[in-house]
Amino acid sequence: GQQLNQSPQSMFIQEGEDVSMNCTSSSIFNTWLWYKQDPGEGPVLLIALYKAGELTSNGRLTAQFGITRKDSFLNISASIPSDVGIYFCAGQRSGGSNYKLTFGKGTLLTVNP
Amino acid sequence: NAGVTQTPKFRVLKTGQSMTLLCAQDMNHEYMYWYRQDPGMGLRLIHYSVGEGTTAKGEVPDGYNVSRLKKQNFLLGLESAAPSQTSVYFCASSYGFRGELFFGEGSRLTVL
Repeated sequence: GQQLNQSPQSMFIQEGEDVSMNCTSSSIFNTWLWYKQDPGEGPVLLIALYKAGELTSNGRLTAQFGITRKDSFLNISASIPSDVGIYFCAGQRSGGSNYKLTFGKGTLLTVNP
Repeated sequence: NAGVTQTPKFRVLKTGQSMTLLCAQDMNHEYMYWYRQDPGMGLRLIHYSVGEGTTAKGEVPDGYNVSRLKKQNFLLGLESAAPSQTSVYFCASSYGFRGELFFGEGSRLTVL
């Protein structure tokens, strides 16, 4: 099956630092999405990307849809303690299986105040 | 707005017992999904439904059954629980399919 390689697996940073994480695939995706999961909660959608090369921001978060359609990046600027959680990338392909997402294994972010 | 509600939130079963997890959504979404989350494995799709009365297998369907008798509800059943089914289960729904899923808070299941 399709696999997404998400890195890094975990990050431990100081409050105020910027964060970068990425997701790569051997397959082309037509949609890339980034979700955040707070401890003890379900994932929540942060950003959705629908076009190759697209750069989208949501507050301090910026995500990009790679031009090859095989990767995506998420950046968080000026991190704060509430950024703690697991960040998941997800990709969707159009076609016969367009109702299913493929999720990365997540990046665990810890922010030290 | 309740969104996606899962019951129960926690459950402990003995091997071989059966149980049903209930997912309810109040957003009139057509698509519903059941995922399991295990440490280091991310989210894996168990079963999904693209509309009332329809169900389909996901990546890891073995040992689970589902039903979607009403549009707002999606049930996940374990007929004979096994320790390998110890996990956190998430239900999700979406209006169409552009990947924008709304997740419930999760149900933590332990099988002894």
